[in-house]
Amino acid sequence: QKEVEQDPGPLSVPEGAIVSLNCTYSNSAFQYFMWYRQYSRKGPELLMYTYSSGNKEDGRFTAQVDKSSKYISLFIRDSQPSDSATYLCAMRTNSGGYQKVTFGTGTKLQVIP
Amino acid sequence: SAVISQKPSRDICQRGTSLTIQCQVDSQVTMMFWYRQQPGQSLTLIATANQGSEATYESGFVIDKFPISRPNLTFSTLTVSNMSPEDSSIYLCSAGGGPNTEAFFGQGTRLTVV
Repeated sequence: QKEVEQDPGPLSVPEGAIVSLNCTYSNSAFQYFMWYRQYSRKGPELLMYTYSSGNKEDGRFTAQVDKSSKYISLFIRDSQPSDSATYLCAMRTNSGGYQKVTFGTGTKLQVIP
Repeated sequence: SAVISQKPSRDICQRGTSLTIQCQVDSQVTMMFWYRQQPGQSLTLIATANQGSEATYESGFVIDKFPISRPNLTFSTLTVSNMSPEDSSIYLCSAGGGPNTEAFFGQGTRLTVV
């Protein structure tokens, strides 16, 4: 079983829709959770990070963490064609010193005008 | 935020040759990381490069195949040695050092080995 599972998609939605991207994980030691956005032929770009259960909002993006269920989500409101990209979840422990980041495989999102 | 410049952005190489990828950060960073990204796969950490010490390699990656240099706090190189078609992939440099350990990525090097 992979430590981090992410539906690869592709996910295709109409412009203006609410998008829900999800990851599950098996390692209960994961404490920091991140979402990256990667456009085609570009490196990943950090969108959001959080370290507590609950919701964190930043503009049209909301990151949600449920540590009891080992489940994280990224919601995108009022989706735009410019949101079309691959979204990677990532997480790491908080055990002090360097903590290796574990990435999901990414979900490809297409927002259709 | 840090800006990471990575070059070359892409290359096509003959098998048996080596390619050195450069990663330049516009500010000093404690840690730099090298990843490989294959289609449909998650990012796989190759090694962590700390200035002034030998790189730390992940399981499945060895220094002879992927030698890394980290001469200062803003620069690192990764060499892919004695390449084979299986080395065709995207190689990414990342940098960080605070709570967001790997917050910033370069644009990647798309390597094709023929």
